[in-house]
Amino acid sequence: GAVVSQHPSRVICKSGTSVKIECRSLDFQATTMFWYRQFPKKSLMLMATSNEGSKATYEQGVEKDKFLINHASLTLSTLTVTSAHPEDSSFYICSARVNGDGTYEQYFGPGTRLTVT
Amino acid sequence: DAKTTQPNSMESNEEEPVHLPCNHSTISGTDYIHWYRQLPSQGPEYVIHGLTSNVNNRMASLAIAEDRKSSTLILHRATLRDAAVYYCILKGANTGNQFYFGTGTSLTVIP
Repeated sequence: GAVVSQHPSRVICKSGTSVKIECRSLDFQATTMFWYRQFPKKSLMLMATSNEGSKATYEQGVEKDKFLINHASLTLSTLTVTSAHPEDSSFYICSARVNGDGTYEQYFGPGTRLTVT
Repeated sequence: DAKTTQPNSMESNEEEPVHLPCNHSTISGTDYIHWYRQLPSQGPEYVIHGLTSNVNNRMASLAIAEDRKSSTLILHRATLRDAAVYYCILKGANTGNQFYFGTGTSLTVIP
């Protein structure tokens, strides 16, 4: 199956700083990527959808100026958490969609655990 | 969003079959039924998906009710590695072809 990677796998940052998380589709081109966040013992919450070369579409309640998403190529999307605060500590998961066969299958990355101190 | 309802948790003995139910009474005709599972501190892993007919793959089987308002994921012989949270998700025009995760079922496999 298609492989999606994320880097870093875990990161600790100080409050007020920004942190960038990368999501790559390793063996396929993904015109659409998704970003989710997951709090402990909770389900995944869709944050935003990004299409290559265009602005991301954010879900209701997600601050676009705080969570900057860039999808500059068909294999890379980045999520930057700006001016991070402890409440931003979470598990961030990206997903990439394969559009080739009409069923729009999605493959998920392994996640990035962000801890803001 | 197209909603699914699953039991919060289930238990199974190792090497026995497991039937994980999912209700999706508001499913539309073009919604696919997807199942993913998530192990602790990992991203979701694809299990199976279907539209109308029952589906089998090397991981599991998916039984879809005739009216499509419910489905059941079947693990034929549970192993300890199958312990995970299983998510039943609808995807189609109603969801903008996006995945919206519900609460899922936490499966415990008892040795």
